[in-house]
Amino acid sequence: ILNVEQSPQSLHVQEGDSTNFTCSFPSSNFYALHWYRWETAKSPEALFVMTLNGDEKKKGRISATLNTKEGYSYLYIKGSQPEDSATYLCAWPNAGGTSYGKLTFGQGTILTVHP
Amino acid sequence: DTEVTQTPKHLVMGMTNKKSLKCEQHMGHRAMYWYKQKAKKPPELMFVYSYEKLSINESVPSRFSPECPNSSLLNLHLHALQPEDSALYLCASSQVGTGAYEQYFGPGTRLTVT
Repeated sequence: ILNVEQSPQSLHVQEGDSTNFTCSFPSSNFYALHWYRWETAKSPEALFVMTLNGDEKKKGRISATLNTKEGYSYLYIKGSQPEDSATYLCAWPNAGGTSYGKLTFGQGTILTVHP
Repeated sequence: DTEVTQTPKHLVMGMTNKKSLKCEQHMGHRAMYWYKQKAKKPPELMFVYSYEKLSINESVPSRFSPECPNSSLLNLHLHALQPEDSALYLCASSQVGTGAYEQYFGPGTRLTVT
């Protein structure tokens, strides 16, 4: 049974604060790690798909790092804005990558940015 | 066009009804997915279609019947559902591959079974 865990479950920050949260996943048979942002009443939106140990990806004020040997990824948001308020989900494709993108999602981190 | 559309947005049905959910994408993706999401839980995979063929069924009860009539459309036929099947049903699509392709999600259908 795959175990993808995210922490914290929820986070409240003030506008302008920088923040980060964690996704841990099984380190054996690593293939990729996905990050999605899910705003209320909208579709989940892919932020990053990370495949290489030590990888760092950036999209605007959001960045992510990956450590496949120890099985964790960090998502960072610099200078949080109210529009960053969303649930951030990480997801792990099935081991070996033979299952056509079968994703197991973590429970998510709910971020609320207060003006 | 990177949009996945789902209809209807909301659906209320009785336990004896038959209804269908529809999903459509025009990104040329040949993998399509159905997920079920209950409140305060992450999405859970139900079915995966690859090249219009069912490749994964996550032991979903037969009262849920998926169909992929062509490469752009994905349906989920519902029959004799139970109240515990009430949830948000999400459709997604991606390139066919080995899990390293991002998935594009629709906004979901909110299903209530009475």
